[in-house]
Amino acid sequence: LAKTTQPISMDSYEGQEVNITCSHNNIATNDYITWYQQFPSQGPRFIIQGYKTKVTNEVASLFIPADRKSSTLSLPRVSLSDTAVYYCLVGGPLEVFGPGTRLSVLP
Amino acid sequence: KAGVTQTPRYLIKTRGQQVTLSCSPISGHRSVSWYQQTPGQGLQFLFEYFSETQRNKGNFPGRFSGRQFSNSRSEMNVSTLELGDSALYLCASRKERYEQYFGPGTRLTVT
Repeated sequence: LAKTTQPISMDSYEGQEVNITCSHNNIATNDYITWYQQFPSQGPRFIIQGYKTKVTNEVASLFIPADRKSSTLSLPRVSLSDTAVYYCLVGGPLEVFGPGTRLSVLP
Repeated sequence: KAGVTQTPRYLIKTRGQQVTLSCSPISGHRSVSWYQQTPGQGLQFLFEYFSETQRNKGNFPGRFSGRQFSNSRSEMNVSTLELGDSALYLCASRKERYEQYFGPGTRLTVT
């Protein structure tokens, strides 16, 4: 199972773009990369999923380099409500959730 | 489209008792997974059910069990509750590939 490494915490200000990078050196050929967002006392919420290059949806972009050993979640123009924990998962749903990245958006 | 629902939302039990939690997946989703979340251990995978069969199991004692019904609804049971079982229990369903949709969770407190 591919293990992931993310920063434990990040601070940002409202209106800024936030990039959270996840390392997954042992990613398998058929593994997808999935990001979730979690607010306190709520279940994680699916944000975005990708396999290679770039994926964009209405809330975020996911950048995956050619070697797929890392990925970067990009949140454009964050607001206070984006303060949450962000998890990067590689592989299937059985992949272990790591501690995630605690993003704090300041006014 | 209705999301994943879990009942009850909050529960208080006493050590030694047993508890049953319920999860209704999103319509059309056949896979249901259960997770335990605590401040100290984070999100930990309990088990996954697909078409009424347990497909995968995490590293939890046998006191934790589950089942899935023909309509994909799932239940999780914890017997002989311990103080350390106090946690947020999350259920997630999925239809294909790996994206999961989580319910709001059941907050279990064991006293």
